[in-house]
Amino acid sequence: AQSVTQPDIHITVSEGASLELRCNYSYGATPYLFWYVQSPGQGLQLLLKYFSGDTLVQGIKGFEAEFKRSQSSFNLRKPSVHWSDAAEYFCAVGVMEYGNKLVFGAGTILRVKS
Amino acid sequence: KAGVTQTPRYLIKTRGQQVTLSCSPISGHRSVSWYQQTPGQGLQFLFEYFSETQRNKGNFPGRFSGRQFSNSRSEMNVSTLELGDSALYLCASSSVGGGMGDEQFFGPGTRLTVL
Repeated sequence: AQSVTQPDIHITVSEGASLELRCNYSYGATPYLFWYVQSPGQGLQLLLKYFSGDTLVQGIKGFEAEFKRSQSSFNLRKPSVHWSDAAEYFCAVGVMEYGNKLVFGAGTILRVKS
Repeated sequence: KAGVTQTPRYLIKTRGQQVTLSCSPISGHRSVSWYQQTPGQGLQFLFEYFSETQRNKGNFPGRFSGRQFSNSRSEMNVSTLELGDSALYLCASSSVGGGMGDEQFFGPGTRLTVL
């Protein structure tokens, strides 16, 4: 069965510091991978996605992620965190059966301290 | 373009009642998916509709149902509500193709509280 693991429930970083959020997936075929962000009381916003090709993908708000097939990982990174980045981040895998279905990780709550 | 809209935004019901939630996708989008978000179970896929047909379903009891209309608007219904149905229900739409390569755009959700 498909699954996504985000091992860190909470992460706290200082404003201006670099960030890496971890994501590991389990999926038999070539994965479609996504990172979403959710601010309190809001829906989910797509940060970036990987389908194929270059394993380093760029997203919005200065985020990037690297797909590593050998490690079944798709970690999200940002070189310098801003206070407005505080939110919950979800990694997801798109399941390759007929139709749209996303399997999400449990999420990582990012706190930014000034 | 207007985003995905969900109504109502907040809802309070009592056990045993039923509820209907509505989702209007982005104009031109034909795929609508529903997700349940709870602190304990996280984000879980409920079902997906494309051109008025359910083409994917998650592992939820039959009390959860949905439908899609010819204008792509979708409703989900939960009958015989249980306390555990309290959750944020998120709707997402994707573009005309509705394939796995299409980004899903999420609405703000409907917060359902069951007392």
